[in-house]
Amino acid sequence: DGGITQSPKYLFRKEGQNVTLSCEQNLNHDAMYWYRQDPGQGLRLIYYSQIVNDFQKGDIAEGYSVSREKKESFPLTVTSAQKNPTAFYLCASSLTGRSYNSPLHFGNGTRLTVT
Amino acid sequence: KQEVTQIPAALSVPEGENLVLNCSFTDSAIYNLQWFRQDPGKGLTSLLLIQSSQREQTSGRLNASLDKSSGRSTLYIAASQPGDSATYLCAVTYYSNSGYALNFGKGTSLLVTP
Repeated sequence: DGGITQSPKYLFRKEGQNVTLSCEQNLNHDAMYWYRQDPGQGLRLIYYSQIVNDFQKGDIAEGYSVSREKKESFPLTVTSAQKNPTAFYLCASSLTGRSYNSPLHFGNGTRLTVT
Repeated sequence: KQEVTQIPAALSVPEGENLVLNCSFTDSAIYNLQWFRQDPGKGLTSLLLIQSSQREQTSGRLNASLDKSSGRSTLYIAASQPGDSATYLCAVTYYSNSGYALNFGKGTSLLVTP
């Protein structure tokens, strides 16, 4: 079955360490996204990529970095510069860029806890 | 700036009731509106996508309507079941200075009791 796989489901890190969250899709979608979800705040866009080797900052990109070397993969690195990294991170994809008239498909998320 | 609001934040109904979830947005210049379902600790599942030119979409017991002029969408769930318990989020796609953008509401947490 096609879908989006995020790993790991739970991740624990010490403050000051960089950590990379994995996101892989086999839907042959062009566009991929990273969102952060905090209680009471809804989803906020971190980065998005409309095609391979191209990505754009979202609303809260500071302290994060991404790469898009392959169509199927869009890893997110949470750096030590991110002030409040503990959150639930969701990866999504859509057939075309910015989900214009194509639904978003989401992975099951990675819960990151930084102590 | 496009603001998306969902009221109420939480809702509890007995099994079998028909119910309506509300979503409002401040700028009527949208391309589409999507409704999602999120189970605890999971990702979002797309339920319905309504294009800006459409008035409603239906899938099984779900019916979503869109009134762009008033900036409102409703998700109607018929004959609710305990398995419908989840958080329901709406999101609008619109055009911003930096291109197409997607804004989410904070969701309505639904509990259907047996």
